[in-house]
Amino acid sequence: AQKVTQAQTEISVVEKEDVTLDCVYETRDTTYYLFWYKQPPSGELVFLIRRNSFDEQNEISGRYSWNFQKSTSSFNFTITASQVVDSAVYFCALSEALNQGGKLIFGQGTELSVKP
Amino acid sequence: AAGVIQSPRHLIKEKRETATLKCYPIPRHDTVYWYQQGPGQDPQFLISFYEKMQSDKGSIPDRFSAQQFSDYHSELNMSSLELGDSALYFCASSISGEGMNEKLFFGSGTQLSVL
Repeated sequence: AQKVTQAQTEISVVEKEDVTLDCVYETRDTTYYLFWYKQPPSGELVFLIRRNSFDEQNEISGRYSWNFQKSTSSFNFTITASQVVDSAVYFCALSEALNQGGKLIFGQGTELSVKP
Repeated sequence: AAGVIQSPRHLIKEKRETATLKCYPIPRHDTVYWYQQGPGQDPQFLISFYEKMQSDKGSIPDRFSAQQFSDYHSELNMSSLELGDSALYFCASSISGEGMNEKLFFGSGTQLSVL
């Protein structure tokens, strides 16, 4: 069965600190996709990144970086030099490639609060 | 760039009433998905459509139905509304052929409140 676990319910940091959001997933498929979405207080879901199971190369995009490790079934997300505008709920999600329709299984979300 | 459009943004209904939520996917996107997000919860998959046919079904109550029309927009119909249906309803769209899970873009959601 598919499952995504974000053990950190809430994280609070002070601006300019680095913060890592953890994501652990379970799937029986060898081909799957992992995602991170940001949900700011306004409510929309903002796509951040998609990673397929065959690409374990870590990715950096500005202050954001992602560490994908198949050996530990983890796809962690790090924000460097956090800013107040990073305050949001962050969801990690999993989709199995054989699953038609792109159904995403979301983790419970991590609420990040960045204080000035 | 055009995004997924959902209407209305907010909807207030009373118990046992019906509601219709609309979703207009990104142009050329042929797949539409509906998700329900309760307060403080993660989004839960309801149903999806590809080329106007239902492609997958999740935890969608029998009181709900949905369809995708010839212009690819989709409507989620909810009847006999219950207090527990109060949630943020997201629509998302994607285009097939680029890897079915390549990019899944969400609309801003419809906040449904059942009183």
